Amino acid sequence: DQQVKQNSPSLSVQEGRISILNCDYTNSMFDYFLWYKKYPAEGPTFLISISSIKDKNEDGRFTVFLNKSAKHLSLHIVPSQPGDSAVYFCAASAASKSTFGDGTTLTVKP
Amino acid sequence: DTEVTQTPKHLVMGMTNKKSLKCEQHMGHRAMYWYKQKAKKPPELMFVYSYEKLSINESVPSRFSPECPNSSLLNLHLHALQPEDSALYLCASSTSGSNQPQHFGDGTRLSIL
Repeated sequence: DQQVKQNSPSLSVQEGRISILNCDYTNSMFDYFLWYKKYPAEGPTFLISISSIKDKNEDGRFTVFLNKSAKHLSLHIVPSQPGDSAVYFCAASAASKSTFGDGTTLTVKP
Repeated sequence: DTEVTQTPKHLVMGMTNKKSLKCEQHMGHRAMYWYKQKAKKPPELMFVYSYEKLSINESVPSRFSPECPNSSLLNLHLHALQPEDSALYLCASSTSGSNQPQHFGDGTRLSIL
């Protein structure tokens, strides 16, 4: 049973608009959540994280929101840029173990 | 440039071969990880080393044998692999302790004939 789900395999947005990527989890033991970005032929790169004691974390154009009651987190990118086009993985962590979602391929059109 | 270096980038081996994947980092991280990633699937955790000791083994078959010779190096020894073991093998490292972001290498693409 998949504990971390990204239900949208792909997302396409126009340059300058907001990109919203979603992630749902089932395990209440997860206490730390991360987003990674992956370009083709490269390993995932850490983007932003949030602890379960917070509901929002912001870093430049990237903001992660956590709704613990709904077991849902989202990544907002604004404004979106063509260089943001990549696969985005949501990960949830407990006791040094990270579980990844299937990923969402984001395409930002110029 | 990635700060976690994996070699080789590609490896083709037969089911009776013995080979090793190597991973190196010089960020002073004391936690290192092996993941397996199949096409269009997320990375799946295989092993975690903390301070050069194996701390997590996710019930990985014994034909995969990890080794951490020192704080900068992580190896994955392969023997008698099956075709279904063909995948991208990713190494990662992080500072010690829970809830730390991981730094990934670019992976080794392994094909079993």
